[in-house]
Amino acid sequence: GAVVSQHPSWVICKSGTSVKIECRSLDFQATTMFWYRQFPKQSLMLMATSNEGSKATYEQGVEKDKFLINHASLTLSTLTVTSAHPEDSSFYICSPSGPTGYGYTFGSGTRLTVV
Amino acid sequence: GENVEQHPSTLSVQEGDSAVIKCTYSDSASNYFPWYKQELGKRPQLIIDIRSNVGEKKDQRIAVTLNKTAKHFSLHITETQPEDSAVYFCAASQSGGSYIPTFGRGTSLIVHP
Repeated sequence: GAVVSQHPSWVICKSGTSVKIECRSLDFQATTMFWYRQFPKQSLMLMATSNEGSKATYEQGVEKDKFLINHASLTLSTLTVTSAHPEDSSFYICSPSGPTGYGYTFGSGTRLTVV
Repeated sequence: GENVEQHPSTLSVQEGDSAVIKCTYSDSASNYFPWYKQELGKRPQLIIDIRSNVGEKKDQRIAVTLNKTAKHFSLHITETQPEDSAVYFCAASQSGGSYIPTFGRGTSLIVHP
């Protein structure tokens, strides 16, 4: 299956700071990247979808100026949580998708804790 | 858009018993149905999937069935083991790289030794 690398796996930051999360597809070209947020004991909540070289499409209720997504290449996408607040604490997971769209693969996830 | 309902939210079984998790979907255009297992603090892992041109698929102790007419699909785990304990998610989507999968709410499976 596809190999996806996501970093960091966990991060603790102070309120008001920014955190960047990287997601790399190592063995295929990710034309599309899904970014999810998962709160404890809940399902995956789609935050945004990006296609390589274009702006991300954000889901309703997700602030695009707060969650900056960059998908500059077919192997790398980043999510930056700006001016983080405690309520942003969550598990963030990327999921790159190739042309076939089958077997959605997930990054290892990033546990963000804002104190 | 697509709507996926998943039941039950929690399932507790004894080791060796079978477990069944059911999902329904609303969009008849959906043609790809993966199932994921997520252990605590880890990423969801694809365990089995089925496409709309197939009614059943089996992989050792795991099987998935699909009823396109009724728009429902189910995950069957036989001879459950404690290591099967996890949260299981179903999903529905259309094939193709930019089609967004819709996930069920998840089922917490607990297998008691």
